[in-house]
Amino acid sequence: GAVVSQHPSWVICKSGTSVKIECRSLDFQATTMFWYRQFPKQSLMLMATSNEGSKATYEQGVEKDKFLINHASLTLSTLTVTSAHPEDSSFYICSAHTPGLATGYEQYFGPGTRLTVT
Amino acid sequence: QQQVKQSPQSLIVQKGGIPIINCAYENTAFDYFPWYQQFPGKGPALLIAIRPDVSEKKEGRFTISFNKSAKQFSLHIMDSQPGDSATYFCAASVGGFKTIFGAGTRLFVKA
Repeated sequence: GAVVSQHPSWVICKSGTSVKIECRSLDFQATTMFWYRQFPKQSLMLMATSNEGSKATYEQGVEKDKFLINHASLTLSTLTVTSAHPEDSSFYICSAHTPGLATGYEQYFGPGTRLTVT
Repeated sequence: QQQVKQSPQSLIVQKGGIPIINCAYENTAFDYFPWYQQFPGKGPALLIAIRPDVSEKKEGRFTISFNKSAKQFSLHIMDSQPGDSATYFCAASVGGFKTIFGAGTRLFVKA
């Protein structure tokens, strides 16, 4: 149980274009979803927190107009990287949380999306 | 104050050895301390987690030791196997939100 999927798993786009990444909780309803970014051989950095039906909360230094997050339902959150540039190339990982599962503290992570901007 | 400091950066052990990874934190508001295992190109997977009211927790071959007064916690992997070769992250959060990750430890278990 508590499976989170991401789509696509790997995407290549040209500089200046936008790309959308989907994060779905498959067998539970997630009240909160988180988006992380991970550069090669580095740790995960939290980008933003989103709750269903409300605006995302972005971490300091993350451009909200560049990384658009929509949390339209309790099972789906999307991250859109707008006007992508090569420096946006990274591994993007989402996670989902709901207080009703296990101890209520766990985050369940997706498999990640590798974005390469050429 | 939001940092979680993790060491060592990398670790090589023989099969059957007991690698130990250490983490330290400053924010006393943290109340959940998970450890994650990540293989290349994959998302992190929760291994084991502890709350600050417990000093030790074991799940299979994985043990967390927690020292609340020192604000430190560590992961021990018993009888390590080559399949345990991965990157391990400690983390901390308040109520499961805004998880702060350590820098990661690359573990290699020699066969």
